[in-house]
Amino acid sequence: KAGVTQTPRYLIKTRGQQVTLSCSPISGHRSVSWYQQTPGQGLQFLFEYFSETQRNKGNFPGRFSGRQFSNSRSEMNVSTLELGDSALYLCASSSRTGSSYEQYFGPGTRLTVT
Amino acid sequence: GEDVEQSLFLSVREGDSSVINCTYTDSSSTYLYWYKQEPGAGLQLLTYIFSNMDMKQDQRLTVLLNKKDKHLSLRIADTQTGDSAIYFCAERGGGSYIPTFGRGTSLIVHP
Repeated sequence: KAGVTQTPRYLIKTRGQQVTLSCSPISGHRSVSWYQQTPGQGLQFLFEYFSETQRNKGNFPGRFSGRQFSNSRSEMNVSTLELGDSALYLCASSSRTGSSYEQYFGPGTRLTVT
Repeated sequence: GEDVEQSLFLSVREGDSSVINCTYTDSSSTYLYWYKQEPGAGLQLLTYIFSNMDMKQDQRLTVLLNKKDKHLSLRIADTQTGDSAIYFCAERGGGSYIPTFGRGTSLIVHP
């Protein structure tokens, strides 16, 4: 089956603009989570959605938001971009069945803010 | 807040075993994970362990959990050059249920 896809793969924006990133999970996975990876802060959890509901949110300002659609596809939005938002944004889809857990990541969206 | 610590680098010879260590501070961690990230690639969940277990084996990978010392390790048997990557430890649980990642251990495998 197809893996997790993220679009776009690369993005260049200027400070103050906003951006929307998209993630399509593996078919059948209802949980989608987002992460930010930077050299300075490492890997940080942004938020997690399950069946269109946000289940958890990391310690990020309100400029970072997300949503999940009925087909489990998810988007995240960053408004009023700052230079420090330059990062690799990773999306993962997951599924838990009993004691079994699987999680797959997309290739990421590389966002550069100038 | 919760913290996850890992050493930054590990160098091993091909064919030897690698042991990557991780310590965490959240005593209420429920799940602990190991991820692998190869250069220019996304993240891959390698394995995970529940806090009520002390060991899990999956082919060449062995995870050991010492809950009393809040210490997690990943052993890779017969390390190959293809195992060269950054390995991240992560924990999840407690009140917030937000995953926290270590800074990653860069594993270098040389012939």
